[in-house]
Amino acid sequence: GENVEQHPSTLSVQEGDSAVIKCTYSDSASNYFPWYKQELGKRPQLIIDIRSNVGEKKDQRIAVTLNKTAKHFSLHITETQPEDSAVYFCAASSTGANNLFFGTGTRLTVIP
Amino acid sequence: SAVISQKPSRDICQRGTSLTIQCQVDSQVTMMFWYRQQPGQSLTLIATANQGSEATYESGFVIDKFPISRPNLTFSTLTVSNMSPEDSSIYLCSVEDRQLETQYFGPGTRLLVL
Repeated sequence: GENVEQHPSTLSVQEGDSAVIKCTYSDSASNYFPWYKQELGKRPQLIIDIRSNVGEKKDQRIAVTLNKTAKHFSLHITETQPEDSAVYFCAASSTGANNLFFGTGTRLTVIP
Repeated sequence: SAVISQKPSRDICQRGTSLTIQCQVDSQVTMMFWYRQQPGQSLTLIATANQGSEATYESGFVIDKFPISRPNLTFSTLTVSNMSPEDSSIYLCSVEDRQLETQYFGPGTRLLVL
């Protein structure tokens, strides 16, 4: 089955700086890659996703890049704010938005 | 996106007992899923709840331990059977939004087994 690795496990940045979280996956058939943000005690919230027919997608301060050849994808957050502090999970699926396999998570702390 | 609710939101149970968690969606959805999130860990897919047929379980999860029902397109239940402290986790249901081709999560059920 799919194996998703995520790095780093923790990340601290100064407010206003950028944050980058990287994930690799094992199943070359994977074609859907969402990112979820989970605040303490809350449900995971979808923040952005990308499909294998595009290499990059941007939504305001958040962007995701995908390299299918290397089987890795990354989340980029620019101009970080304290409210960006949360645990971020990447995921991958070979069946569209079904059967998501999650990375181990990155705890992002934005220091005011 | 669909509005998803779960009951109970949290519970404390004794080992050896069973707990049934309910997941209700405000619109009909084809795909519903159950995940487990152990304390401080990532999300692990338990099974896909199929309407009108048996659930499809992932490796490491079995029907005897986690029986699932899916009587219609808006509702599913997950039972955690014969619980032990290792079952202490957050259990989340999720649904696939076919139109947006994304997956959304319910608020979760926080379970503590003593």
